[in-house]
Amino acid sequence: ETGVTQTPRHLVMGMTNKKSLKCEQHLGHNAMYWYKQSAKKPLELMFVYSLEERVENNSVPSRFSPECPNSSHLFLHLHTLQPEDSALYLCASSQGLNSISSFFGQGTRLTVV
Amino acid sequence: TQLLEQSPQFLSIQEGENLTVYCNSSSVFSSLQWYRQEPGEGPVLLVTVVTGGEVKKLKRLTFQFGDARKDSSLHITAAQPGDTGLYLCAGPTGANSKLTFGKGITLSVRP
Repeated sequence: ETGVTQTPRHLVMGMTNKKSLKCEQHLGHNAMYWYKQSAKKPLELMFVYSLEERVENNSVPSRFSPECPNSSHLFLHLHTLQPEDSALYLCASSQGLNSISSFFGQGTRLTVV
Repeated sequence: TQLLEQSPQFLSIQEGENLTVYCNSSSVFSSLQWYRQEPGEGPVLLVTVVTGGEVKKLKRLTFQFGDARKDSSLHITAAQPGDTGLYLCAGPTGANSKLTFGKGITLSVRP
């Protein structure tokens, strides 16, 4: 079992749909992150949670709504997305906010049609 | 302007060749990390370099952190098809030490 698990691995959704991405970490880490990876662009940090509290929101549109019910789980709720939101969404965790190493999940490949 | 510039962007080589790729910045970093990402997967941490001038080896991969902590290199000896992937460098920035990534280097090793 990998340290950071994301589900689903692939998701196709219409622009009017509501869906959620799930991330679970089994590493005992206190910080969790959502990243977006689009073609030909660097990984973009979306949200940062530390001890279940959101500490950073990098100007992400409100159609993306994160939720961190506990330090092991992180969700990304999606609604009324646009085709340009199609990307690989990666979850990561680290020991704490200032830890120098992050561990990534396998990602969810999202396609918005 | 990218905070971390990686070069070359693409590299296609024959199995057995050696190669060196780079991660450069005009800013000083407290540490730099290298990840490898295979298609359809998340990045996997290869190494973290912390001290200026530090050299770390991971089998056939040699990582070096520049003396001024502004750049890093990755040298692969006798590349194998299993080395194929996207190599990302990243460093902590900002108040929460969030990771900033370069665009990555796409390496293809032909059998």
